[in-house]
Amino acid sequence: QAVVTQEPSLSVSPGGTVTLTCGLRSGSVSTSYYPSWYRQTPGQAPRTLIYNTNTRSSGVPDRFSGSILGNKAALTITGAQADDECDYYCVLYMGSGISVFGGGTKLTVL
Amino acid sequence: QVQLQESGPGLVKPSETLSLTCSVSGVSVTSSSYYWAWIRQPPGKGLEWIGSISYRGNTYYSPSLKSRTTISADTSNNQVSLILTSVTSADTATFFCARYDTTLAGRYFDNWGRGTLVTVSS
Repeated sequence: QAVVTQEPSLSVSPGGTVTLTCGLRSGSVSTSYYPSWYRQTPGQAPRTLIYNTNTRSSGVPDRFSGSILGNKAALTITGAQADDECDYYCVLYMGSGISVFGGGTKLTVL
Repeated sequence: QVQLQESGPGLVKPSETLSLTCSVSGVSVTSSSYYWAWIRQPPGKGLEWIGSISYRGNTYYSPSLKSRTTISADTSNNQVSLILTSVTSADTATFFCARYDTTLAGRYFDNWGRGTLVTVSS
């Protein structure tokens, strides 16, 4: 069972809004975990979207936003577009130099 | 412009040692506030952090891989290396090198290499 949890798959309609979450198997995610988010299309390297919970990486449109929702980190995509369809990964910093990836969310836009 | 390029054998035999190099350009691997990480992705599966080396040469490893992993830096050639011993077919993956930013802005992977596929097979 993964330490860092993500929804395996989600779907959103074009133009719609979707929220992906990143949780802990045990405990709550806070800003102290420095949540970051990445997107990856097949055959490509990941691309950084959000870091430090809610800071957008250079060039990332403001349709993408990060936050803490309840006991999880969250990535919200508004105005979903066809090319938002890909895999999304969160990473949490666990302390002592250790980072852990979530299992990833496959987002479908349909 | 920061660039990372992974290189190494694409095929390794079971029980042998996997060795990869990440060549870094545009920034020194000893530049403060940056760590250099290895991340892997088995075919069709998710990303897994393997470990990192800091600008001071301190190393950090995933607990699940620590006993088989060594990450080192060659500062004269501005490279970071990964060694993974006693490989099995479960180690077949695309291996990515990434820069890890530890500045006040946060802790995150801000630059990625394209990745290199390593297959473990006899």
